[in-house]
Amino acid sequence: DAGITQSPRYKITETGRQVTLMCHQTWSHSYMFWYRQDLGHGLRLIYYSAAADITDKGEVPDGYVVSRSKTENFPLTLESATRSQTSVYFCASSEQAGGVANEKLFFGSGTQLSVL
Amino acid sequence: AQKITQTQPGMFVQEKEAVTLDCTYDTSDPSYGLFWYKQPSSGEMIFLIYQGSYDQQNATEGRYSLNFQKARKSANLVISASQLGDSAMYFCAIGAHTGNQFYFGTGTSLTVIP
Repeated sequence: DAGITQSPRYKITETGRQVTLMCHQTWSHSYMFWYRQDLGHGLRLIYYSAAADITDKGEVPDGYVVSRSKTENFPLTLESATRSQTSVYFCASSEQAGGVANEKLFFGSGTQLSVL
Repeated sequence: AQKITQTQPGMFVQEKEAVTLDCTYDTSDPSYGLFWYKQPSSGEMIFLIYQGSYDQQNATEGRYSLNFQKARKSANLVISASQLGDSAMYFCAIGAHTGNQFYFGTGTSLTVIP
């Protein structure tokens, strides 16, 4: 069955290292999103993308970089990881080409990242 | 910018009883959608129900219904006949037409008591 997959499932890294979280979807959805989930904060939007080569900042973009050279992939890079970036990261996609006001998000299984 | 507020960090309900999870929102966008997601302890995000800002009737999906009060900017989730499997985190979210961003609240932890 088609879906949205994230890798790795778990990642441990050290402060200052660069780490990339991968997200791949097979539906050719236009919109893709990255969220981080922390206790007490719910899910916070890091970056989103409306289409290939179009990305924009969300609520908490500092310290993160994204790219979207192909519709199906939306990697998230932590350029120099910090302990405050320890979190669970979710990738999501939406097929609505005209906007996300009336189309649900489909989520990946999440990546649990620990920065030591 | 859009904002979602869930004021109940934790809720308890007796099995087979109904429960209401509160959600209020703030947006200046005239066109938006309201969503509820369930996150069980396994961690996946499960879509439950959707309400469009122009929908006249409250949305229902099986045991889930959304009590949409547009003037009060509230979109409460009602779960009828609670089951043990309903124990989970529940997130309210808003998707706005302008900006195409999708925001979540901080969530409510629901525990169903046998």
